[in-house]
Amino acid sequence: KNEVEQSPQNLTAQEGEFITINCSYSVGISALHWLQQHPGGGIVSLFMLSSGKKKHGRLIATINIQEKHSSLHITASHPRDSAVYICAVNSGGSNYKLTFGKGTLLTVNP
Amino acid sequence: GAVVSQHPSRVICKSGTSVKIECRSLDFQATTMFWYRQFPKKSLMLMATSNEGSKATYEQGVEKDKFLINHASLTLSTLTVTSAHPEDSSFYICSASGLAHEQYFGPGTRLTVT
Repeated sequence: KNEVEQSPQNLTAQEGEFITINCSYSVGISALHWLQQHPGGGIVSLFMLSSGKKKHGRLIATINIQEKHSSLHITASHPRDSAVYICAVNSGGSNYKLTFGKGTLLTVNP
Repeated sequence: GAVVSQHPSRVICKSGTSVKIECRSLDFQATTMFWYRQFPKKSLMLMATSNEGSKATYEQGVEKDKFLINHASLTLSTLTVTSAHPEDSSFYICSASGLAHEQYFGPGTRLTVT
């Protein structure tokens, strides 16, 4: 069992829909990251959070430390949101390595 | 967020040659830099962790003599793929981390070895 589990693996939505991607983890963490990668592209850091909720534009990330669960929400989705969304956790330690989920492929159709 | 650049973004080289990839943190001091490799449709695989001024720590299975990492300053780390072979073709991504242990990713370098 992976330490970081994402669901769903694939998600197709219509433009304008509200999107939720989930991430569960099994280890203690110091921070959780949500990352975005467009096909053939580099990785963009969307959020780093250790508690509560963060919002940036149409993106919202929440985390529940007790339940070891985080969600990434996209409001009013747009085709340009189509990408792979990756959850990664930082479990602390001396070098702060990240453990990655397998990613969620989001396709938003016009 | 902070900006991390990589150069080159794409490189094609012949088998047997060496290729250097640079990773720069443009607006903050990166005490730690990470080098990842990504195969098509796969997640990132950590290759090594480097702290400024000290030797890199390589993950199991990564050849340190083949993938030379230098982190000479707080804003620059380099990855040199020595005697490259076609199986080294991949997408290489760096990330930089500062004192708050945030991680900012570079745009990646696509290496093709012919």
